[in-house]
Amino acid sequence: EDQVTQSPEALRLQEGESSSLNCSYTVSGLRGLFWYRQDPGKGPEFLFTLYSAGEEKEKERLKATLTKKESFLHITAPKPEDSATYLCAVMGGASKIIFGSGTRLSIRP
Amino acid sequence: GAGVSQSPRYKVAKRGQDVALRCDPISGHVSLFWYQQALGQGPEFLTYFQNEAQLDKSGLPSDRFFAERPEGSVSTLKIQRTQQEDSAVYLCASSSQLAGGSEQYFGPGTRLTVT
Repeated sequence: EDQVTQSPEALRLQEGESSSLNCSYTVSGLRGLFWYRQDPGKGPEFLFTLYSAGEEKEKERLKATLTKKESFLHITAPKPEDSATYLCAVMGGASKIIFGSGTRLSIRP
Repeated sequence: GAGVSQSPRYKVAKRGQDVALRCDPISGHVSLFWYQQALGQGPEFLTYFQNEAQLDKSGLPSDRFFAERPEGSVSTLKIQRTQQEDSAVYLCASSSQLAGGSEQYFGPGTRLTVT
């Protein structure tokens, strides 16, 4: 059964303190791994898609990496506006996407 | 351009009532997805449409849940005889590609509270 586990559940950082969020996954035939950002009261906002192990993508202070078993979302020198819940999701052989429970990130000024 | 819109944004229903939730996807997007999101959890897949065809409804929790997309654009998720466990945020997402690894664009969701 396809499964996604994110850690930690919550992370509090000081502004400028870099860190990484983890997404471990089990899926038969990975067709894509996705990272989304979700602000309170809003729908998830697409960040990245990764397709194969070794792939990396960057956007501003965020960089996503992928191995055969996990993905990391690295946040470099975060700012308070980076505070949000970050969701990881995978698509396997079927058409549906399986989401993790997310990491709630809080950046203190 | 316009994103995915959903209505109503909030819905309070008494247990046993029927509700209908609407999703307007991004124009031209062939794929449409419905998700259910409980508080503090990630979205859970409910169903998937490719144009007007419902290709996957394996995530619908019971036969009280029904979704349609008759003309391949607007979609409606209907819940009959609502129960308290149906309380959640219902998210709609659309994609320009056939389901196969492309990014999805989400609406703001409809928060359903069953009392």
